[in-house]
Amino acid sequence: DQQVKQNSPSLSVQEGRISILNCDYTNSMFDYFLWYKKYPAEGPTFLISISSIKDKNEDGRFTVFLNKSAKHLSLHIVPSQPGDSAVYFCAASNPGGGADGLTFGKGTHLIIQP
Amino acid sequence: EAQVTQNPRYLITVTGKKLTVTCSQNMNHEYMSWYRQDPGLGLRQIYYSMNVEVTDKGDVPEGYKVSRKEKRNFPLILESPSPNQTSLYFCASSFWQNTGELFFGEGSRLTVL
Repeated sequence: DQQVKQNSPSLSVQEGRISILNCDYTNSMFDYFLWYKKYPAEGPTFLISISSIKDKNEDGRFTVFLNKSAKHLSLHIVPSQPGDSAVYFCAASNPGGGADGLTFGKGTHLIIQP
Repeated sequence: EAQVTQNPRYLITVTGKKLTVTCSQNMNHEYMSWYRQDPGLGLRQIYYSMNVEVTDKGDVPEGYKVSRKEKRNFPLILESPSPNQTSLYFCASSFWQNTGELFFGEGSRLTVL
């Protein structure tokens, strides 16, 4: 049973436009959500996170939105740049049982076209 | 430089030949974890460790062992590798209070023939 779902394996966006990556989850116990970015031949790197007590968190060009009632979160990148081309993983954890680590989605490959 | 170091980065081996993938971090993190990445499956946790001498199974522990004798090291052991363990492996670490914000190594690509 996949608890964190990223239904778009890939997404192509023109440079300068907004990129929106989506993520859905099924476990209502999740209360902390993260996005990781991964370039080829490198490990994932932490990008941005959001706690369930918030509905929005912003860091520069990156904003994560959380809709708890819909069990949905999204990552917005504005404006998109060529260096944003990477695989983006959505992840969720239950800090109450944080020892179990993160549950990751399958990833979305973002391609920024010039 | 803060980092998580894995070795080897690439390995081709044969079924049944024991191997160890080492992982070392220099950030004094209590929490360490191993993940494997497979096409269409994303990242799945194999084992994790909350601190020295404390380890526990993740989602896909079968066929793997780990140990945590020192805080900085968390080796992944494949006692008798099989072809279904061909994968890309990542070690990660974090502070105990913030196990979500993981620092990942660069990955170890393992092929079992």
